[in-house]
Amino acid sequence: QQQVKQSPQSLIVQKGGISIINCAYENTAFDYFPWYQQFPGKGPALLIAIRPDVSEKKEGRFTISFNKSAKQFSLHIMDSQPGDSATYFCAASSSGTASKLTFGTGTRLQVTL
Amino acid sequence: NAGVTQTPKFRVLKTGQSMTLLCAQDMNHEYMYWYRQDPGMGLRLIHYSVGEGTTAKGEVPDGYNVSRLKKQNFLLGLESAAPSQTSVYFCASSYLRGAGEQFFGPGTRLTVL
Repeated sequence: QQQVKQSPQSLIVQKGGISIINCAYENTAFDYFPWYQQFPGKGPALLIAIRPDVSEKKEGRFTISFNKSAKQFSLHIMDSQPGDSATYFCAASSSGTASKLTFGTGTRLQVTL
Repeated sequence: NAGVTQTPKFRVLKTGQSMTLLCAQDMNHEYMYWYRQDPGMGLRLIHYSVGEGTTAKGEVPDGYNVSRLKKQNFLLGLESAAPSQTSVYFCASSYLRGAGEQFFGPGTRLTVL
Protein backbone atom coordinates (compact mmCIF):
# COMPACT_ATOMS: atom_id res chain seq x y z
CA GLN A 1 0.00 0.00 0.00
CA GLN A 2 1.52 3.24 -1.19
CA GLN A 3 0.71 5.78 1.51
CA VAL A 4 2.49 8.64 -0.24
CA LYS A 5 1.93 8.98 -3.98
CA GLN A 6 4.35 11.14 -5.95
CA SER A 7 4.16 12.52 -9.48
CA PRO A 8 5.53 12.91 -12.03
CA GLN A 9 8.05 10.10 -12.22
CA SER A 10 10.37 12.25 -14.30
CA LEU A 11 10.49 15.90 -15.27
CA ILE A 12 12.49 17.93 -17.77
CA VAL A 13 12.60 21.70 -17.25
CA GLN A 14 14.55 24.40 -19.02
CA LYS A 15 17.00 26.51 -17.09
CA GLY A 16 15.15 29.37 -15.44
CA GLY A 17 11.83 27.55 -15.46
CA ILE A 18 9.68 26.35 -12.59
CA SER A 19 9.80 22.71 -11.52
CA ILE A 20 6.72 21.35 -9.75
CA ILE A 21 6.50 17.98 -8.05
CA ASN A 22 3.32 16.78 -6.36
CA CYS A 23 2.59 14.36 -3.55
CA ALA A 24 -0.59 13.06 -1.99
CA TYR A 25 -0.96 11.17 1.25
CA GLU A 26 -3.63 9.03 2.86
CA ASN A 27 -2.74 8.84 6.54
CA THR A 28 -4.28 11.82 8.36
CA ALA A 29 -1.94 11.19 11.30
CA PHE A 30 1.01 12.42 9.27
CA ASP A 31 2.26 15.72 10.70
CA TYR A 32 5.69 16.22 9.16
CA PHE A 33 6.33 16.47 5.43
CA PRO A 34 9.93 16.73 4.23
CA TRP A 35 11.43 16.77 0.77
CA TYR A 36 14.73 15.03 0.17
CA GLN A 37 17.15 15.64 -2.68
CA GLN A 38 19.40 12.87 -3.95
CA PHE A 39 22.29 13.17 -6.39
CA PRO A 40 23.56 10.09 -8.24
CA GLY A 41 25.72 7.89 -6.03
CA LYS A 42 24.83 9.82 -2.89
CA GLY A 43 22.42 9.41 -0.02
CA PRO A 44 19.29 11.56 0.20
CA ALA A 45 19.64 14.90 2.00
CA LEU A 46 16.91 17.00 3.55
CA LEU A 47 15.97 19.92 1.31
CA ILE A 48 13.00 21.52 3.02
CA ALA A 49 10.19 20.41 5.33
CA ILE A 50 6.78 21.62 6.47
CA ARG A 51 4.32 20.90 9.25
CA PRO A 52 0.55 21.12 8.65
CA ASP A 53 0.04 24.27 10.72
CA VAL A 54 1.22 26.38 7.77
CA SER A 55 0.20 26.29 4.11
CA GLU A 56 3.49 27.34 2.60
CA LYS A 57 7.18 27.38 3.44
CA LYS A 58 9.86 29.02 1.36
CA GLU A 59 13.62 28.61 1.53
CA GLY A 60 15.45 30.40 -1.24
CA ARG A 61 14.25 29.05 -4.58
CA PHE A 62 12.45 26.11 -2.97
CA THR A 63 8.84 26.33 -1.76
CA ILE A 64 6.53 23.73 -0.26
CA SER A 65 2.81 24.29 -0.70
CA PHE A 66 0.58 22.29 1.63
CA ASN A 67 -3.16 21.62 1.33
CA LYS A 68 -4.36 19.82 4.43
CA SER A 69 -7.96 19.34 3.30
CA ALA A 70 -6.87 17.78 0.02
CA LYS A 71 -4.06 15.83 1.71
CA GLN A 72 -1.61 17.09 -0.88
CA PHE A 73 1.70 18.92 -0.84
CA SER A 74 4.03 20.03 -3.57
CA LEU A 75 7.56 21.24 -4.14
CA HIS A 76 8.18 24.24 -6.37
CA ILE A 77 11.67 25.02 -7.59
CA MET A 78 11.83 28.54 -8.97
CA ASP A 79 14.47 29.61 -11.50
CA SER A 80 15.54 25.99 -11.92
CA GLN A 81 19.27 25.46 -12.51
CA PRO A 82 21.26 22.58 -14.02
CA GLY A 83 22.67 21.97 -10.53
CA ASP A 84 19.14 21.15 -9.38
CA SER A 85 19.16 18.05 -11.58
CA ALA A 86 18.63 15.23 -9.08
CA THR A 87 15.99 12.86 -7.79
CA TYR A 88 13.50 14.36 -5.35
CA PHE A 89 11.55 12.38 -2.80
CA CYS A 90 8.62 13.56 -0.77
CA ALA A 91 8.02 11.88 2.56
CA ALA A 92 5.75 11.95 5.58
CA SER A 93 5.84 10.91 9.19
CA SER A 94 3.74 11.20 12.31
CA SER A 95 4.72 12.14 15.86
CA GLY A 96 5.32 9.27 18.20
CA THR A 97 6.32 6.82 15.50
CA ALA A 98 10.08 7.08 15.99
CA SER A 99 10.20 9.65 13.18
CA LYS A 100 9.72 6.84 10.67
CA LEU A 101 9.43 8.28 7.20
CA THR A 102 7.16 6.99 4.44
CA PHE A 103 8.65 7.99 1.11
CA GLY A 104 7.13 8.69 -2.27
CA THR A 105 8.55 6.88 -5.28
CA GLY A 106 10.73 9.78 -6.39
CA THR A 107 10.90 12.26 -9.28
CA ARG A 108 13.92 12.46 -11.49
CA LEU A 109 14.41 16.11 -12.45
CA GLN A 110 16.58 17.17 -15.35
CA VAL A 111 17.21 20.87 -15.92
CA THR A 112 18.43 21.59 -19.42
CA LEU A 113 20.42 24.60 -20.63
CA ASN B 1 32.51 15.00 12.11
CA ALA B 2 31.95 12.22 9.57
CA GLY B 3 28.14 12.07 9.98
CA VAL B 4 26.75 8.70 8.87
CA THR B 5 29.15 6.21 7.31
CA GLN B 6 28.43 2.84 5.73
CA THR B 7 30.68 -0.16 5.11
CA PRO B 8 31.16 -1.59 2.51
CA LYS B 9 30.30 0.67 -0.44
CA PHE B 10 29.84 -2.21 -2.89
CA ARG B 11 29.40 -5.95 -2.52
CA VAL B 12 28.59 -8.88 -4.78
CA LEU B 13 27.19 -12.04 -3.18
CA LYS B 14 26.12 -15.39 -4.47
CA THR B 15 22.67 -16.70 -3.60
CA GLY B 16 22.72 -18.23 -0.13
CA GLN B 17 25.74 -16.33 1.15
CA SER B 18 25.54 -14.15 4.22
CA MET B 19 26.90 -10.72 4.99
CA THR B 20 26.67 -7.81 7.40
CA LEU B 21 26.39 -4.15 6.51
CA LEU B 22 27.76 -1.72 9.06
CA CYS B 23 26.40 1.74 9.76
CA ALA B 24 28.11 4.17 12.10
CA GLN B 25 27.12 7.68 13.18
CA ASP B 26 29.05 10.20 15.25
CA MET B 27 26.20 12.61 15.99
CA ASN B 28 25.00 10.89 19.16
CA HIS B 29 21.61 10.23 17.55
CA GLU B 30 19.17 7.94 19.32
CA TYR B 31 17.26 6.74 16.26
CA MET B 32 18.77 4.75 13.43
CA TYR B 33 17.18 3.23 10.31
CA TRP B 34 17.93 0.88 7.45
CA TYR B 35 16.26 1.46 4.07
CA ARG B 36 16.49 -0.19 0.71
CA GLN B 37 16.13 1.78 -2.51
CA ASP B 38 14.87 0.13 -5.66
CA PRO B 39 14.04 1.79 -9.00
CA GLY B 40 10.52 3.19 -9.07
CA MET B 41 9.85 2.24 -5.46
CA GLY B 42 11.48 5.01 -3.45
CA LEU B 43 13.02 4.14 -0.12
CA ARG B 44 11.43 1.44 1.99
CA LEU B 45 12.14 0.97 5.68
CA ILE B 46 13.61 -2.42 6.59
CA HIS B 47 14.28 -2.12 10.33
CA TYR B 48 14.85 0.68 12.78
CA SER B 49 16.08 1.31 16.31
CA VAL B 50 15.00 3.88 18.88
CA GLY B 51 18.03 3.37 21.08
CA GLU B 52 20.91 1.13 22.07
CA GLY B 53 19.75 -2.46 22.49
CA THR B 54 16.40 -1.93 20.71
CA THR B 55 15.26 -2.89 17.23
CA ALA B 56 11.91 -2.95 15.44
CA LYS B 57 10.54 -4.09 12.09
CA GLY B 58 9.80 -1.68 9.32
CA GLU B 59 7.88 -2.10 6.09
CA VAL B 60 10.01 -4.84 4.46
CA PRO B 61 11.84 -6.77 7.21
CA ASP B 62 11.74 -10.31 5.80
CA GLY B 63 15.17 -11.81 5.09
CA TYR B 64 17.01 -9.24 7.22
CA ASN B 65 18.14 -9.02 10.82
CA VAL B 66 19.60 -6.09 12.72
CA SER B 67 21.47 -5.36 15.91
CA ARG B 68 22.22 -2.17 17.87
CA LEU B 69 24.74 -3.19 20.50
CA LYS B 70 26.32 0.27 20.61
CA LYS B 71 24.50 3.57 20.24
CA GLN B 72 26.67 4.68 17.35
CA ASN B 73 26.42 1.46 15.31
CA PHE B 74 23.53 -0.26 13.54
CA LEU B 75 24.21 -3.54 11.75
CA LEU B 76 22.09 -5.06 8.99
CA GLY B 77 22.50 -8.77 8.33
CA LEU B 78 21.48 -10.97 5.45
CA GLU B 79 21.59 -14.60 6.57
CA SER B 80 20.92 -16.22 3.20
CA ALA B 81 21.04 -13.72 0.37
CA ALA B 82 18.53 -13.90 -2.47
CA PRO B 83 18.52 -12.12 -5.86
CA SER B 84 15.48 -10.14 -4.67
CA GLN B 85 17.77 -8.47 -2.13
CA THR B 86 19.80 -6.84 -4.88
CA SER B 87 19.39 -3.17 -4.02
CA VAL B 88 21.05 -0.05 -2.68
CA TYR B 89 20.94 0.05 1.10
CA PHE B 90 20.91 3.29 3.05
CA CYS B 91 21.38 3.84 6.73
CA ALA B 92 20.04 6.96 8.43
CA SER B 93 19.94 8.46 11.89
CA SER B 94 17.93 11.16 13.61
CA TYR B 95 17.58 13.04 16.88
CA LEU B 96 15.35 11.76 19.64
CA ARG B 97 11.98 13.49 19.27
CA GLY B 98 13.51 15.97 16.89
CA ALA B 99 12.04 17.67 13.86
CA GLY B 100 12.07 14.37 12.06
CA GLU B 101 15.10 15.10 9.92
CA GLN B 102 17.01 11.98 9.05
CA PHE B 103 20.66 12.09 8.05
CA PHE B 104 21.60 9.50 5.46
CA GLY B 105 24.79 7.63 4.76
CA PRO B 106 26.26 7.26 1.24
CA GLY B 107 24.73 3.84 0.63
CA THR B 108 25.88 0.28 -0.07
CA ARG B 109 25.22 -1.20 -3.48
CA LEU B 110 24.58 -4.93 -3.11
CA THR B 111 24.24 -7.38 -5.97
CA VAL B 112 23.12 -10.94 -5.33
CA LEU B 113 23.80 -13.33 -8.20
